[in-house]
Amino acid sequence: DAGITQSPRHKVTETGTPVTLRCHQTENHRYMYWYRQDPGHGLRLIHYSYGVKDTDKGEVSDGYSVSRSKTEDFLLTLESATSSQTSVYFCAMSRQGGVEQYFGPGTRLTVT
Amino acid sequence: AQSVAQPEDQVNVAEGNPLTVKCTYSVSGNPYLFWYVQYPNRGLQFLLKYITGDNLVKGSYGFEAEFNKSQTSFHLKKPSALVSDSALYFCAVRDNSPGTYKYIFGTGTRLKVLA
Repeated sequence: DAGITQSPRHKVTETGTPVTLRCHQTENHRYMYWYRQDPGHGLRLIHYSYGVKDTDKGEVSDGYSVSRSKTEDFLLTLESATSSQTSVYFCAMSRQGGVEQYFGPGTRLTVT
Repeated sequence: AQSVAQPEDQVNVAEGNPLTVKCTYSVSGNPYLFWYVQYPNRGLQFLLKYITGDNLVKGSYGFEAEFNKSQTSFHLKKPSALVSDSALYFCAVRDNSPGTYKYIFGTGTRLKVLA
């Protein structure tokens, strides 16, 4: 968890409300990722970033958007939360493509 | 399509016995392979990786993994299991599609080491 934090760590929200999760890193790493973890599915990539203002979609990007206006911050937004987005969300970073990732502590999101 | 499979949802092993957690992959080109461990209510922690070179890779906490190209496998091993090794283990592979920097994770294997 060194050098990468997530906020909030826990959040309960209602269906239809917008939600933003923040990932912050102090390592000046170029690549950042957002995953969700669900039982039976492992980790699934939502979006990732390969530089400031450079992002791309992952396998489960519907209903999510991201922004990266500076190297250290990567934001994940649920435009209108649904119950199917109840999950644990992990942010990760890597120094460059093809090397190991370092993960944040996770955010547990519950959509009621 | 590129993918990773962890065929066992759970592996039980007695303390002191050797352990193996299985992983097979499907990827075009040369694979970059990784193992991560997750303890309860924590993020994933990097254990080891195979990029190139020796097929036997050594990592953290006494873990090692064997890359087998012909069987497209990357099994995680440890000679003598500890109760503290009980956790959720993920295998991952780098997606080698041009212009992408994605990683694909398996569904995870829960390791339970019995005292």
